[in-house]
Amino acid sequence: AQSVTQLGSHVSVSEGALVLLRCNYSSSVPPYLFWYVQYPNQGLQLLLKYTSAATLVKGINGFEAEFKKSETSFHLTKPSAHMSDAAEYFCAVSSVGSNYKLTFGKGTLLTVNP
Amino acid sequence: NAGVTQTPKFQVLKTGQSMTLQCAQDMNHNSMYWYRQDPGMGLRLIYYSASEGTTDKGEVPNGYNVSRLNKREFSLRLESAAPSQTSVYFCASSSTGTSHEQYFGPGTRLTVT
Repeated sequence: AQSVTQLGSHVSVSEGALVLLRCNYSSSVPPYLFWYVQYPNQGLQLLLKYTSAATLVKGINGFEAEFKKSETSFHLTKPSAHMSDAAEYFCAVSSVGSNYKLTFGKGTLLTVNP
Repeated sequence: NAGVTQTPKFQVLKTGQSMTLQCAQDMNHNSMYWYRQDPGMGLRLIYYSASEGTTDKGEVPNGYNVSRLNKREFSLRLESAAPSQTSVYFCASSSTGTSHEQYFGPGTRLTVT
């Protein structure tokens, strides 16, 4: 079985501040890990993915995430928040054990204050 | 290249009515998925199709049926809609490449009164 926990259903930052969205996963086999972003009234867009290559993964819009096996974490960061980053962010896990089906966290809503 | 398309975008049903949500992808992907999204619940898998001709239940299949019409199209049917099925429905597809990442459609917002 696999699962994802996103700590904090709502994170608020000031424009220009560091963004840190937390994700912890559980998987009995090596995982694939993903971050998706959802803007209001839109579908989900892939931000970045970890597929067992480099542990520090860079994605679109200046986001990056680091896979830490010992901590079973895959936290999403961005050095400087922009107003356009306001959206809901979902962490997801899959593996060969789940036949590559995604299990999603409940999401974190990011608010960026001017 | 439209990616994943879904119709309709919005729908209002009365309890007991039936409807079919349509999904199509033009990326030649083998696998397709139907999810529902409810506030505070993330996305939950309803049904998926690993390849043309196969379908399997996901986490929340009750009250739904699916048809994988061909490689491109995967439909979701509500035979007798209930207010508990008020949700936003997303279709997704994925390849069988290295990461099996999924690509999502724009969603269908369904309200059952």
